[in-house]
Amino acid sequence: SSELTQDPAVSVALGQTVSITCQGDSLRNYYASWYQQKPGQAPVLVIFGKHNRPSGIPDRYSGSSSGTTASLTITGAQAEDEADYYCNSRDSSGNHYVFGSGTKVTVL
Amino acid sequence: QVQLQESGPGLVKPSETLSLTCTVSGGSISSYFWSWIRQPPGKGLEWIGYIYYSDITNFNPSLKSRVSIAEDTSKNQFYLNLSSVTAADTAVYYCARGRVPVGPDYYYYIDVWGKGTTVTVSS
Repeated sequence: SSELTQDPAVSVALGQTVSITCQGDSLRNYYASWYQQKPGQAPVLVIFGKHNRPSGIPDRYSGSSSGTTASLTITGAQAEDEADYYCNSRDSSGNHYVFGSGTKVTVL
Repeated sequence: QVQLQESGPGLVKPSETLSLTCTVSGGSISSYFWSWIRQPPGKGLEWIGYIYYSDITNFNPSLKSRVSIAEDTSKNQFYLNLSSVTAADTAVYYCARGRVPVGPDYYYYIDVWGKGTTVTVSS
């Protein structure tokens, strides 16, 4: 089991807003990074640090954090946002890294 | 633009050592956290570990006794060895570039990924 817990699946209507959460004790002290993965493809970084987006990532993607929960929000979801999303941060020891269990986002 | 390419055997026998190479093109191998991640069929991502400045390594505790990562700056390559493999090590293996930005907040993220290579452990 992962030390970073994510809901297995969420759905969102086209154009609406969805938030994906990542819970873990380490998130109280460390930022999470977020990755989008489409079937048969390598993951792509979408959010890192406090709330940074790499070049080329649409501004409908945003990140936030509170306590032991990090969140990735997609505002105005598009069909191309349908994918698996993973968070990554330190493990509970603080010495290593771990991925969350992943959330499958379906755009209806 | 930096690109990463994994290479190595697609089939490894149980109890043997899995060895993969990642070739970095379009940039220097220096000063980054060169990382390996894997994904078993139908499952999530698993962080394996990284190497930094040729001799600083950090591994997933669950794999630490079996894993090593090395780099060769002259070839712009880094490597993964995973010993005593079993069917549970069957996965897509990704090499990736990790970064830790300069500043007061220390955090690691992966900004460049290879396309991945499938490794099957079977006799």
